[in-house]
Amino acid sequence: ENVLTQSPATLSLSPGERATLSCRASQSVATYLAWYQQRPGQAPRLLIYDASTRATGVPARFSGSGSGSDFTLSISRLEPEDFAVYYCQLRSEGPRTWTFGQGTKVENK
Amino acid sequence: QVQLVESGGGVVQPGGSLRLSCAGSGFSFGRYDMHWVRQAPGEGPEWVAFLSFDGTFKHYAKSVGARFTVSRDNSKRTMYLDLDRLRPEDTALYYCARDLGGLDYYFDTWGQGTLVTVSS
Repeated sequence: ENVLTQSPATLSLSPGERATLSCRASQSVATYLAWYQQRPGQAPRLLIYDASTRATGVPARFSGSGSGSDFTLSISRLEPEDFAVYYCQLRSEGPRTWTFGQGTKVENK
Repeated sequence: QVQLVESGGGVVQPGGSLRLSCAGSGFSFGRYDMHWVRQAPGEGPEWVAFLSFDGTFKHYAKSVGARFTVSRDNSKRTMYLDLDRLRPEDTALYYCARDLGGLDYYFDTWGQGTLVTVSS
């Protein structure tokens, strides 16, 4: 089973600052990794897929990078609506399953 | 616009059963693979089940094994999740999600969820 580990668990930042979130897979996934944002009381929202492709309607301040086992989600300048929990996600084979990381909470300092 | 609406959640005793529904609109429902994902209170999302666009291929999380069954009726633009032999640890908000398409890696549209509570 391919396990995702996200760090840090919590990131305390102020609006306008840059956020850098990390996700590590226990086995290589090439670039088949996604990032989701979940605001309180809402469903997760797809932000980034294939490690670096922004989903439809996602602002340019969100960017993803990485390949293999190490991935990063960056938010260039935090807006008030960006304070939320962020999850990374991958698909595994043998048997086919989909896995989420445990999440990173970006909170307003 | 693309929309998914779940229904059927409720309170059920351990060992009981429930049927969840997911109605899709604003897109060609019968052309998309679909998923169920759940989220226990205070926890991250957990994928539960996958169903191919035509209902041919199904995959389940080990945690639900043979207790849950996914199906769909494309003529009604609806997907179902039958939950059987429910356990307290199945308590969660259950989302349906549309697959992004292509190679079935990601979830691009989510409903708002339906809450299942398993308690005596």
